[in-house]
Amino acid sequence: EIVMTQSPATLSVSPGERATLSCRASQSISSSLAWYQQKPGQAPRLLIYGASTRATGVPGRFSGSGSGTEFTLTISSLQSEDFAVYYCQQYNNWLTFGGGTKVEIK
Amino acid sequence: QVQLQESGPGLVKPSETLSLTCAVSGYSISSGYYWGWIRQPPGKGLEWIGSIFHSGTTYSNPSLKSRFSISVDTSKNQFSLKLTSVTAADTAVYYCARQTVGAAPAWFVPWGQGTPVTVSS
Repeated sequence: EIVMTQSPATLSVSPGERATLSCRASQSISSSLAWYQQKPGQAPRLLIYGASTRATGVPGRFSGSGSGTEFTLTISSLQSEDFAVYYCQQYNNWLTFGGGTKVEIK
Repeated sequence: QVQLQESGPGLVKPSETLSLTCAVSGYSISSGYYWGWIRQPPGKGLEWIGSIFHSGTTYSNPSLKSRFSISVDTSKNQFSLKLTSVTAADTAVYYCARQTVGAAPAWFVPWGQGTPVTVSS
């Protein structure tokens, strides 16, 4: 099983600042990575697939990068609606999720 | 637009069988795509359970014991999840979601709103 490790577990950021979230795979997954945003009481929402392709309707302030084992989700200027938990998910070999990063208001 | 809606009993007793259904609207399951189940224990992360293609081909999480089965009913435009011999560890919100078209299931979009399941006597 490919293990996905996200860091940090919690990220404290002020509105308007940049947030950088990391996701590491236990073995190479090429670009087979997706990112999701989950707000309390809601289902996850797809943000990024193919490591860097934004899903339909996702604002341009969200960007994904990386390949192999190291991936990054960047939110260029945090808006109030961006404070949530973010998960990465690999689909190169079966499907596994990372443990999540909570982005909270500083 | 495609929408998914989970339904289930909400409360199940230990050792019993849990049955959940995901009704799909706005898209015909028989037209393609993979369809998946994911669960999230209270306060924890996401766990993929398994996926099914419209033809009935299934993919299951190899890390889970073979207590799960997934089936599809194209006549009702829905797919289902069954979990046998449930324990408290199966308490979670269960989500269904559409996946991608391709050689294997990939990312999930869109998701249903989720249905909470509690295992308790």
